Amino acid sequence: AQRVTQPEKLLSVFKGAPVELKCNYSYSGSPELFWYVQYSRQRLQLLLRHISRESIKGFTADLNKGETSFHLKKPFAQEEDSAMYYCAFTSGSARQLTFGSGTQLTVLP
Amino acid sequence: NAGVTQTPKFQVLKTGQSMTLQCAQDMNHEYMSWYRQDPGMGLRLIHYSVGAGITDQGEVPNGYNVSRSTTEDFPLRLLSAAPSQTSVYFCASSYRQATYEQYFGPGTRLTVT
Repeated sequence: AQRVTQPEKLLSVFKGAPVELKCNYSYSGSPELFWYVQYSRQRLQLLLRHISRESIKGFTADLNKGETSFHLKKPFAQEEDSAMYYCAFTSGSARQLTFGSGTQLTVLP
Repeated sequence: NAGVTQTPKFQVLKTGQSMTLQCAQDMNHEYMSWYRQDPGMGLRLIHYSVGAGITDQGEVPNGYNVSRSTTEDFPLRLLSAAPSQTSVYFCASSYRQATYEQYFGPGTRLTVT
């Protein structure tokens, strides 16, 4: 069964420091991976998708098929990046998104 | 546009009671889904629908029923509430061709005592 693992429940970094949120998946085919974010008192929303290879709010994520990873990175964290981040996965013709357990990021001043 | 709306925002039930969580969207999305969010477990799919009249089970469907009589509405029914159903419930919708980009409602926090 396909699975998404986010090993860190909580992650704290200081403002201006680099941040990396880890995501690993288990799937033998060609996956599609995404990062969703939920800011305090806001709705869960799509942050970025691997296929678009874009940078959103300074965040990037590269799909590494060899390591089956899709880590989210930002070189200089900002306080407004504090949020819950979910890695999500879908594959082939599947209609469902499978979410990881989430990482709560706190950026300290 | 209101996007995805959910009612109620909060609900407390006693074990054995039934209730319906309402979800509506005004974006003409074909795909709608219900998730529950539990600490340490992320979001888990309960049921989903790819269009009016079509529903299917997700990862954790037991104890929940859904129906989709219109494109706009996708209610979730708890048949006989149990403490294990204490959770935050999210409804989401998307275009059928783009289920990766789901638009989420604000959530319903349900407590079963």
